Amino acid sequence: EPEVTQTPSHQVTQMGQEVILRCVPISNHLYFYWYRQILGQKVEFLVSFYNNEISEKSEIFDDQFSVERPDGSNFTLKIRSTKLEDSAMYFCASSPQTGRVGELFFGEGSRLTVL
Amino acid sequence: AQSVTQPDIHITVSEGASLELRCNYSYGATPYLFWYVQSPGQGLQLLLKYFSGDTLVQGIKGFEAEFKRSQSSFNLRKPSVHWSDAAEYFCAVIDRGSTLGRLYFGRGTQLTVWP
Repeated sequence: EPEVTQTPSHQVTQMGQEVILRCVPISNHLYFYWYRQILGQKVEFLVSFYNNEISEKSEIFDDQFSVERPDGSNFTLKIRSTKLEDSAMYFCASSPQTGRVGELFFGEGSRLTVL
Repeated sequence: AQSVTQPDIHITVSEGASLELRCNYSYGATPYLFWYVQSPGQGLQLLLKYFSGDTLVQGIKGFEAEFKRSQSSFNLRKPSVHWSDAAEYFCAVIDRGSTLGRLYFGRGTQLTVWP
């Protein structure tokens, strides 16, 4: 069964460093998302991406964050200058089409630890 | 503002026992409703969804959920739990007007199954 894959599974970085989290969505999916979960808190929406542009972003997704789909397969989340509060599990997700609203396929997550 | 409440952080049941996980939502209008499950080391997986119609919906792995408008609830049930059901369960909602995947999640309920 096709799945969403994420790399790395765990990254430790120093505050102020740039981090890129990578995702390979399911190949025929059209919509792409990033969510995050700070330890002990809810899973929160960050951003959605469709047709090579951001469709919607939350208030969390400030200028320190960016997303890109550099080729036909990868979908990346970049954090330009990490802060301690960026420590979280980051989930990539994809969905096939509009008609299946809310039916997302999630990756296993990338755990980011900022020291 | 949208709000999803899962009042039980952790539930423990014996294998073969019945299960009910609670979910309440606070929303302007009835949203679309979902249950996702996250097994250890895996991404979130959609268990079932409610859009409209029959208020009792069936999902994968033998789960079902009942939508009760009067109680703003969407509780997840399973008549007989298996050890492999041990996981974290997330209730989620999405605005009916949304064409994309901005889900609002509850905090999750961790299910432990005793043999």
